[in-house]
Amino acid sequence: AQSVTQLDSQVPVFEEAPVELRCNYSSSVSVYLFWYVQYPNQGLQLLLKYLSGSTLVESINGFEAEFNKSQTSFHLRKPSVHISDTAEYFCAVSENAGGTSYGKLTFGQGTILTVHP
Amino acid sequence: DGGITQSPKYLFRKEGQNVTLSCEQNLNHDAMYWYRQDPGQGLRLIYYSQIVNDFQKGDIAEGYSVSREKKESFPLTVTSAQKNPTAFYLCASKGRGQGTNVLTFGAGSRLTVL
Repeated sequence: AQSVTQLDSQVPVFEEAPVELRCNYSSSVSVYLFWYVQYPNQGLQLLLKYLSGSTLVESINGFEAEFNKSQTSFHLRKPSVHISDTAEYFCAVSENAGGTSYGKLTFGQGTILTVHP
Repeated sequence: DGGITQSPKYLFRKEGQNVTLSCEQNLNHDAMYWYRQDPGQGLRLIYYSQIVNDFQKGDIAEGYSVSREKKESFPLTVTSAQKNPTAFYLCASKGRGQGTNVLTFGAGSRLTVL
């Protein structure tokens, strides 16, 4: 069985400061990894994903995450945050089982990022 | 615009009542999912359906029921057997060739039991 741990439930940070949201996973097989973002009272939006290839993946709004297989981590980073980045962020994992997992994502507990002016 | 529509957005019910949450998608997606979100617990899978007239239990199916009579629709019924139904419910879908396990989510329905 797979599991995901987000090590910080809340991360407060000042505007234009760097931020890292930590995510560790466990699985007995190879995995796909995702970061989703959720704004208040809304659904989740895909921020970025790792499926294969380069271990560093980037989003269009300046976030990046690096897949580290040896440390079983997929931390999310941004060098300079904006007020509009305030949201809850979820790390998720899906087993790469030849398609049999069929969209069954396992989510972490979520990290609330609050950007202060 | 294509997307997933969940209704109602907010719902109140009394203990002992069943309630049905609607989920409709016009994305032509084959697979649909229901997740439950509680503060500090992330999202947990209730039920999922890969094709019409077929569905499987997720990790926390007890006290819930679903149907998939049409490709576009995947309603969730929260029954009186669900002991702690107050939560935020999210519906999602996935199409073929969309990218491995990338889900599209609706805006959610918040259920409060009084």
